[in-house]
Amino acid sequence: DTEVTQTPKHLVMGMTNKKSLKCEQHMGHRAMYWYKQKAKKPPELMFVYSYEKLSINESVPSRFSPECPNSSLLNLHLHALQPEDSALYLCASSQAQGAFHEQYFGPGTRLTVT
Amino acid sequence: GQNIDQPTEMTATEGAIVQINCTYQTSGFNGLFWYQQHAGEAPTFLSYNVLDGLEEKGRFSSFLSRSKGYSYLLLKELQMKDSASYLCAVRGSGYSTLTFGKGTMLLVSP
Repeated sequence: DTEVTQTPKHLVMGMTNKKSLKCEQHMGHRAMYWYKQKAKKPPELMFVYSYEKLSINESVPSRFSPECPNSSLLNLHLHALQPEDSALYLCASSQAQGAFHEQYFGPGTRLTVT
Repeated sequence: GQNIDQPTEMTATEGAIVQINCTYQTSGFNGLFWYQQHAGEAPTFLSYNVLDGLEEKGRFSSFLSRSKGYSYLLLKELQMKDSASYLCAVRGSGYSTLTFGKGTMLLVSP
């Protein structure tokens, strides 16, 4: 199984809503990532978890809150988002964080904030 | 800091060969990755170079020159399905993460 799954595929939320994005992998990978991608732009790293601990936070606003309940799951909790947060949110995983480890990407959640 | 440059768009015809270049200036270097991304889909891994030279994998090859801060992705026998964005990504020093270039949109025409 070389698949990263993400739910939901699409999400529309208001600025006062609270929602969560979910990501799951069963490849035994110990590093998991959240990226944000705007149209025609490259993915921008948001968070990295390594062995279930937050390793990197790329100065992401607190309205985005990551959580890694176990080694297979990664959540992104959303609260009080802004319309400019509308984007494709990609989850990825790799065997470990350092050196050569290719990242496997999930299909993404397309988020629209109204 | 990290700076990665690649052309914005390229066009080619079916059956042809195309070379997509990538230049980078990074603090430290621990490898260069190429990813393919179709519109609305997730990036998929194509290749990885950490030493100078050419890596070949089927119709795709990737080359790296660390002294020049330069890589290219070579696609042979182009097919319509190769129309996609090609992302060059560099891993810097230590356990740093990937920095992606802006991507090259390749359009393959009949």
